Amino acid sequence: KQEVTQIPAALSVPEGENLVLNCSFTDSAIYNLQWFRQDPGKGLTSLLLIQSSQREQTSGRLNASLDKSSGRSTLYIAASQPGDSATYLCAAAGDYKLSFGAGTTVTVRA
Amino acid sequence: GAVVSQHPSWVICKSGTSVKIECRSLDFQATTMFWYRQFPKQSLMLMATSNEGSKATYEQGVEKDKFLINHASLTLSTLTVTSAHPEDSSFYICSATTRGRGNTIYFGEGSWLTVV
Repeated sequence: KQEVTQIPAALSVPEGENLVLNCSFTDSAIYNLQWFRQDPGKGLTSLLLIQSSQREQTSGRLNASLDKSSGRSTLYIAASQPGDSATYLCAAAGDYKLSFGAGTTVTVRA
Repeated sequence: GAVVSQHPSWVICKSGTSVKIECRSLDFQATTMFWYRQFPKQSLMLMATSNEGSKATYEQGVEKDKFLINHASLTLSTLTVTSAHPEDSSFYICSATTRGRGNTIYFGEGSWLTVV
């Protein structure tokens, strides 16, 4: 059974600092890995999807890397802003199912 | 734009009543749909997997008589929480996939259920 772990559980940084969010998974047989953002009281927003054959994906200030062999993915957010405050979830996809981490709650202080 | 639509986004219901949440795939035929639940500060947990035209497969610990899932067509799955109780208050989210989409799973926006 896939186990997904996200560290740290919570993170507070001053505005402008770069964010590094970690995600690890136990079963490397994944199709892809996705990063989501969840705002309080709102749904999930898909941020980045990395296929198993890829090493990284970039979108604006976001960059996500994937190392299947070590079972790790990292989400980098450059030059953080208060609007980046949210919970970030990673999910590993295998056999049409997603296994989610518990998330990292980020607070960016103005 | 969204390819999976979930409705309603918010719902408040009285204890003992039933509430239905719909999940629609907008531009593809979803052969498989999934329902997840998330309690505060916990991971999203898979509740059940439904394939069009067949009975849903429930994960261990999920009461199938309480959480009725119907996947009657290739574009619609519904989750009905029957005789809801306050402990059923949670974030429910559906996702859908189909062959030919590169194993991509598309998510609905989620539904916040509060049982009072």
